[in-house]
Amino acid sequence: EPEVTQTPSHQVTQMGQEVILRCVPISNHLYFYWYRQILGQKVEFLVSFYNNEISEKSEIFDDQFSVERPDGSNFTLKIRSTKLEDSAMYFCASSALQNTGELFFGEGSRLTVL
Amino acid sequence: AQSVTQLGSHVSVSEGALVLLRCNYSSSVPPYLFWYVQYPNQGLQLLLKYTTGATLVKGINGFEAEFKKSETSFHLTKPSAHMSDAAEYFCAVSGSSNTGKLIFGQGTTLQVKP
Repeated sequence: EPEVTQTPSHQVTQMGQEVILRCVPISNHLYFYWYRQILGQKVEFLVSFYNNEISEKSEIFDDQFSVERPDGSNFTLKIRSTKLEDSAMYFCASSALQNTGELFFGEGSRLTVL
Repeated sequence: AQSVTQLGSHVSVSEGALVLLRCNYSSSVPPYLFWYVQYPNQGLQLLLKYTTGATLVKGINGFEAEFKKSETSFHLTKPSAHMSDAAEYFCAVSGSSNTGKLIFGQGTTLQVKP
């Protein structure tokens, strides 16, 4: 069964360092998302991406964040200068259609900022 | 704007007992509603969804949910709990008609006792 894969599963970094989280969405999907879950809190929407551009982004998704689909298969989330409060589980998701809500999620990348 | 409230962060039932996980939503437009499940160390998996039509929707693993507009609720039920149902359950509402963004509740951890 097709699945969304994410790497790394866990990354530890020093505050101020750049981090890139990688995702391989399901191959025929067109809509891509990043969500995050801070420990003990809700799963929060960060950004949606379609046709090589951002469709929507949340207030969390400030200038420190960027997304890219560099090669037609990978979908990356970059955090330029990590802060302690960026520590969270980051989930990538993809969907074939934009409004069915049937998002397929990866297993997540846990980011720990020290 | 949309929001989701899940009543009870932890629910404990005995194996074979009824499972009831509560979800109330707020939406300024007709909502699309979803339940996702997250097993330990895995990503979120869609259990079921309501978009339009029949208000009682059936999902995987014997779960079902009923959309009640008058009560702004979308409670998740299963007649008989199984040990394998132990997981975290998230209710979500589609937050945008244009991007497929989901707004999640805070999650309910289901414990199933033997």
